Amino acid sequence: QITLKESGPTLVKPTQTLTLTCTFSGFSLSTNGVGVGWIRQPPGKVLEWLALIYWDDDSHYSPALKTRVTITKDTSKNQVVLRMTDMDPVDTATYYCAHISVAGTVGYFQHWGQGTLITVPS
Amino acid sequence: DIQMTQSPSSLSASVGDRVTITCRASQSINIYLNWYQHKPGKAPNLLIYAASSLQGGVPSRFRGSGSGTYFTLTISSLQPEDFTTYYCQQSYRTPWTFGQGTKVEIK
Repeated sequence: QITLKESGPTLVKPTQTLTLTCTFSGFSLSTNGVGVGWIRQPPGKVLEWLALIYWDDDSHYSPALKTRVTITKDTSKNQVVLRMTDMDPVDTATYYCAHISVAGTVGYFQHWGQGTLITVPS
Repeated sequence: DIQMTQSPSSLSASVGDRVTITCRASQSINIYLNWYQHKPGKAPNLLIYAASSLQGGVPSRFRGSGSGTYFTLTISSLQPEDFTTYYCQQSYRTPWTFGQGTKVEIK
């Protein structure tokens, strides 16, 4: 059974750096084809893809956030970490991590964490 | 970035109705298209991957079709638990992008 859980602060001050950890079980990030991604949803708005990292350390970022976001993995701890610098109130959102599976070459978010609400006060 | 446009943005239907949600990509994405159901306060749930493959455990009333730039999600007979929001998402090229969502409401 695959599970993922996001952890980190619930409140981040403007200009501070957010560090979110996704701790997972039921799969290994050293397995060919496997990845983990981060997605967020501001209150009342739509889902926004942020970043992903694959088993081979290949990583990709949203162009809109590329200068502020870093994704890393620790295979031995079964964790993926997202760092987002210079936080702003517009970054207030529920942040999800998700397990990426691949069918042929089509990637998709097969399993999701429960999400964590991050608030940046104005 | 590849833009994903869903329509309608919302719809009203009754239990037992057949509904279809469309998703258009701004360029051809082959079958790199996935559908998710998202209930408030819960994690999104994968319904369909690779345009038409049903995720295990998802009821067969959900059906995905399409390729290239035009895709549909059809729910053959709406059940009470289906009244929520649905998103399409492309994985043809990063950044992976989501549609703006379609909210299915009770008529």
